[in-house]
Amino acid sequence: DGGITQSPKYLFRKEGQNVTLSCEQNLNHDAMYWYRQDPGQGLRLIYYSQIVNDFQKGDIAEGYSVSREKKESFPLTVTSAQKNPTAFYLCASIPGLNSNQPQHFGDGTRLSIL
Amino acid sequence: AQSVTQLGSHVSVSEGALVLLRCNYSSSVPPYLFWYVQYPNQGLQLLLKYTTGATLVKGINGFEAEFKKSETSFHLTKPSAHMSDAAEYFCAVSVNPGYSTLTFGKGTMLLVSP
Repeated sequence: DGGITQSPKYLFRKEGQNVTLSCEQNLNHDAMYWYRQDPGQGLRLIYYSQIVNDFQKGDIAEGYSVSREKKESFPLTVTSAQKNPTAFYLCASIPGLNSNQPQHFGDGTRLSIL
Repeated sequence: AQSVTQLGSHVSVSEGALVLLRCNYSSSVPPYLFWYVQYPNQGLQLLLKYTTGATLVKGINGFEAEFKKSETSFHLTKPSAHMSDAAEYFCAVSVNPGYSTLTFGKGTMLLVSP
């Protein structure tokens, strides 16, 4: 079945450490997104990519970095500059900018600080 | 810029009762509106969407929503709540027909009691 795979489901980070969250899709979608979810805050856009080797900052990009070297992969790195990284992270995709399809979501990664 | 306001962070209903989750939006152009549902530790699943045309939109699991331009609202309803409806619900708005970026509300947790 086609879908989005996020791994790991739970991740723990020590202070000062960078961690990378994986997002892989086999839907052949062009556009991919990373959201951060905090209790009572809804989803906030971190980064998005409309095409391979291109990405744009969202509303809360500080302390995060991404790459898009392959169409199916959009990893998110939470750097030590992100002072409050504990959250639930969701990856999403759509076929492309002019598609008429809603965003398709992965099952998320929960990141916690040790 | 667009925004979404969901009234009530928590809504409690009895099984069999009417479900009403409120969503108001702000947009400078005709909006595209969505309702998503999230079960614990999972991603978001699309319930229904409004793009153009009929203002009463039917979705999955017996949910429906009505787009009211004069009230800038897109409230979600279900005639009879089921225990399995207990989840968090998010309203979202986009002003791009390709759904390239979504702005989410902060979510409403629906609690269903027997």
